[in-house]
Amino acid sequence: GDSVTQMEGPVTLSEEAFLTINCTYTATGYPSLFWYVQYPGEGLQLLLKATKADDKGSNKGFEATYRKETTSFHLEKGSVQVSDSAVYFCALVPPSNFGNEKLTFGTGTRLTIIP
Amino acid sequence: GAGVSQSPSNKVTEKGKDVELRCDPISGHTALYWYRQSLGQGLEFLIYFQGNSAPDKSGLPSDRFSAERTGGSVSTLTIQRTQQEDSAVYLCASSLVVRVGEQFFGPGTRLTVL
Repeated sequence: GDSVTQMEGPVTLSEEAFLTINCTYTATGYPSLFWYVQYPGEGLQLLLKATKADDKGSNKGFEATYRKETTSFHLEKGSVQVSDSAVYFCALVPPSNFGNEKLTFGTGTRLTIIP
Repeated sequence: GAGVSQSPSNKVTEKGKDVELRCDPISGHTALYWYRQSLGQGLEFLIYFQGNSAPDKSGLPSDRFSAERTGGSVSTLTIQRTQQEDSAVYLCASSLVVRVGEQFFGPGTRLTVL
């Protein structure tokens, strides 16, 4: 079945450091890929998405590129801030699921940014 | 506008009791999903509704779990004869089908089974 593998956390960085959170997937065909974020005390929210190969999703300074050759969708940010402290989830939706867009999530990576 | 709401926010129950969890999706969102977030299992899909029908119930862990949706809006997840392993945060999400994978999540219901 479909699955998402995320780098294990927790990850602790200093403010203004470069961030990479690795994500790889296993799926039939070409799924749509997502990063969701859960800030402390808040619900899950979509951070960015990419629906086809070589697409780059971006939002709030975060970027991720859909790489079909490596089946990866790594999350990057050039300079993190304390406000980026959260749990990040990589997820996929299989192609052509006839309206059923259930998300398959990775295990989540807890990120803490130190001032 | 109003987001997805869930009630109660916290529920503590005794083993063997039944519980009902409620989800109010964003108005006009035809698709509704239930997920479960637990320490051991991460975020797991439970059930998908399109309108009032549930074409995918594949994630429900046992026949003690059931869900319904009425009026294409409110959904209720019912757990009968709760067990300690049911303790988790139950999340509801809704979406417009045309926006692939863009689901709007509620704050969740934290269920603790003693």
